[in-house]
Amino acid sequence: TAGITQAPTSQILAAGRSMTLRCTQDMRHNAMYWYRQDLGLGLRLIHYSNTAGTTGKGEVPDGYSVSRANTDDFPLTLASAVPSQTSVYFCASSDLGSPEGTDTQYFGPGTRLTVL
Amino acid sequence: QKEVEQDPGPLSVPEGAIVSLNCTYSNSAFQYFMWYRQYSRKGPELLMYTYSSGNKEDGRFTAQVDKSSKYISLFIRDSQPSDSATYLCAMSVRNDMRFGAGTRLTVKP
Repeated sequence: TAGITQAPTSQILAAGRSMTLRCTQDMRHNAMYWYRQDLGLGLRLIHYSNTAGTTGKGEVPDGYSVSRANTDDFPLTLASAVPSQTSVYFCASSDLGSPEGTDTQYFGPGTRLTVL
Repeated sequence: QKEVEQDPGPLSVPEGAIVSLNCTYSNSAFQYFMWYRQYSRKGPELLMYTYSSGNKEDGRFTAQVDKSSKYISLFIRDSQPSDSATYLCAMSVRNDMRFGAGTRLTVKP
């Protein structure tokens, strides 16, 4: 089982350009998440989706947008990148309402983005 | 004040040592408490989770939760070089999860 895949692995992007980070999961989890990880700040939630067709804002949503057209895919778009968006981006998924009740999140391998 | 506080380290121990990693938190609504391990340039992977207060043991790892003190711990016995990683605590109410900044651990042979 692949779990969660993310693409690209890394990217260098010029400021002002747009980019979409891809995330696909094969666990049929209903919830998906995007985080950014910065040194000293830990993981911060950007956007989330509890089910296909719905999305919500996390702690740091500005400058990012998401869509959830189906269960498996949850792309993150930067419409006009800025240097402060240089970070490592992680996609995660969880099974909301799982029997054990933990809603434990499982993470992808990450995308390293540098905005110059 | 951050919702979750975690000493970033770095922490360096000799092989075979007992390691203690800790987090404190401020939101008493948190119900689930997790520890993730993250190797360099990899995504976090779930190590252990506990519900409410108490202890949970899994091999060399023991997780403790003290909700009255808003304090959680992860103990690693007989630490190995392969345990060298960053350890993230996390806690949640349903899928609203908050993470600590992570503690970087190095176990030296």
